[in-house]
Amino acid sequence: DAMVIQNPRYQVTQFGKPVTLSCSQTLNHNVMYWYQQKSSQAPKLLFHYYDKDFNNEADTPDNFQSRRPNTSFCFLDIRSPGLGDAAMYLCATSREGTSNNEQFFGPGTRLTVL
Amino acid sequence: AQRVTQPEKLLSVFKGAPVELKCNYSYSGSPELFWYVQYSRQRLQLLLRHISRESIKGFTADLNKGETSFHLKKPFAQEEDSAMYYCALANYGGSQGNLIFGKGTKLSVKP
Repeated sequence: DAMVIQNPRYQVTQFGKPVTLSCSQTLNHNVMYWYQQKSSQAPKLLFHYYDKDFNNEADTPDNFQSRRPNTSFCFLDIRSPGLGDAAMYLCATSREGTSNNEQFFGPGTRLTVL
Repeated sequence: AQRVTQPEKLLSVFKGAPVELKCNYSYSGSPELFWYVQYSRQRLQLLLRHISRESIKGFTADLNKGETSFHLKKPFAQEEDSAMYYCALANYGGSQGNLIFGKGTKLSVKP
């Protein structure tokens, strides 16, 4: 089945220790998104790629970076995780921009920071 | 500022009862609105979008620009409707647009 895959599903890291979350898709979609969702909160967009064009949300901390080496893969790098970065991280894709185009979500990676 | 508000954190109804999940939005342009749903242990997925004017799994949602609302309705709730529901607004402030989500409403349908 074509889908959005996130690895790992659960990630534990130490305070200040860099961590990378990965997302891959078999949908061949142009756009890939990373969202952060804290407990009882709305998913919040961190950044997205339209093909190779990177779009950072204005309030995304510098601590968060992303890479998209090819159409299928997108990575979220957290350079120095703090306790406040513990959250569910959702990857999503869409065929073009948002208008009339559904976003397809991965199952998420739950990040714990010790 | 663009915003989506879902006033109810939890909505509990009995099977067969009507259900309405509220969503209000704030947006300066012409809004595009969606409802996403997350069933237990499943990923977030699109339920319906206002532009399609469709009914999915018996749910409908009408955009009311005067009241800036996009409430989700179903006349007779089923137990399998129990899930987390998120209202989302397409925001074209960025280059390609993105979704602004509400905090979600957990719907619990009791037998």
